[in-house]
Amino acid sequence: EDQVTQSPEALRLQEGESSSLNCSYTVSGLRGLFWYRQDPGKGPEFLFTLYSAGEEKEKERLKATLTKKESFLHITAPKPEDSATYLCAVISNQAGTALIFGKGTTLSVSS
Amino acid sequence: KAGVTQTPRYLIKTRGQQVTLSCSPISGHRSVSWYQQTPGQGLQFLFEYFSETQRNKGNFPGRFSGRQFSNSRSEMNVSTLELGDSALYLCASTLSGADYGYTFGSGTRLTVV
Repeated sequence: EDQVTQSPEALRLQEGESSSLNCSYTVSGLRGLFWYRQDPGKGPEFLFTLYSAGEEKEKERLKATLTKKESFLHITAPKPEDSATYLCAVISNQAGTALIFGKGTTLSVSS
Repeated sequence: KAGVTQTPRYLIKTRGQQVTLSCSPISGHRSVSWYQQTPGQGLQFLFEYFSETQRNKGNFPGRFSGRQFSNSRSEMNVSTLELGDSALYLCASTLSGADYGYTFGSGTRLTVV
């Protein structure tokens, strides 16, 4: 069965304090890994898609990387507006068109 | 361009009742998926529709059903509501397949009392 595990569950950072969020996965035939950001009371907002090991993507203060077993979301010099829940999801040969989500990491950045 | 629109935003229902939620995908998107989000289980896949046909289904009881219309708009229905059905129900759309990622709506918050 496909599984996605995110760690840590919660992370508190000071403004400017860089860190990384982890997403480890066990799937039968990875077709894609997605990172989303979710603010309270809203739907997930798409950030990145990664398709193969070694791939990296960047957007402002965020950088996502992918290996054969896990993905990292690196946050460089975060600001309070980066506070949100970050969700990792995969699609696989087994799950077909269904996104399999991790439980998320809730990031709080204080000034 | 307009995003994914879900109505209503909030809903309160009584146990045993049924409910219908609506989703209008991004114009041109033919695939619509539904997810249930709860604090304990996180986001879980309900079903996916493409060109009016259910293409994939998650592990939910038959009380949960859906349909898609010719204009790609979709509805999901939950019959005989239980307290555990209280959740944020999210709709997501994509052009054709999951490989390119989904765009999510803001969801419908269902509370069953």
